[in-house]
Amino acid sequence: DTAVSQTPKYLVTQMGNDKSIKCEQNLGHDTMYWYKQDSKKFLKIMFSYNNKELIINETVPNRFSPKSPDKAHLNLHINSLELGDSAVYFCASSAPGLAGAEQYFGPGTRLTVT
Amino acid sequence: AQSVAQPEDQVNVAEGNPLTVKCTYSVSGNPYLFWYVQYPNRGLQFLLKYITGDNLVKGSYGFEAEFNKSQTSFHLKKPSALVSDSALYFCAVRVSGGYNKLIFGAGTRLAVHP
Repeated sequence: DTAVSQTPKYLVTQMGNDKSIKCEQNLGHDTMYWYKQDSKKFLKIMFSYNNKELIINETVPNRFSPKSPDKAHLNLHINSLELGDSAVYFCASSAPGLAGAEQYFGPGTRLTVT
Repeated sequence: AQSVAQPEDQVNVAEGNPLTVKCTYSVSGNPYLFWYVQYPNRGLQFLLKYITGDNLVKGSYGFEAEFNKSQTSFHLKKPSALVSDSALYFCAVRVSGGYNKLIFGAGTRLAVHP
């Protein structure tokens, strides 16, 4: 059973389009995250939700909008895609209420904007 | 400012030799420190963490890390490297203030040669 899954795995689209990436976890975790990994492999947090509530909202263009329909799902919608949005996007989750709980990562979604 | 530094872009080691991947951190309060590994085209996998207690932490796949408060370091080690250990390794620190927000280092590529 896959613990944290993401769809799609690859996403190729043109500038100006709107796209969504979906994430699901079956670990029973309450906290979920979105990270962006750039071409130099630098990893940076974008958002985090705890039990459907937004708790971390980094300096990210407002073209990016996360949405958590329930605590097992966290989706990322991106409007008006730009070339600089090309990256690998990772979803992750962690157990609630546990200081220093490790995060479990999905396999990533490679977004290419042309 | 809270940060993590991995001073080496790449570490090369012969199979069977000991390996060390370096990490230093800057954080206010007690540090929660993590190591993750990323294989090509995969998500990050948790290796080990330091929260409190023994300075020598043992983790997955024979890896261990030593927490050194005076040197603000958390170096990853393994007594005998395997070719299959070749991957990208990330050190991370939990930002004080809650919500399990992690700051990642830039990553160190480990290459183990037969």
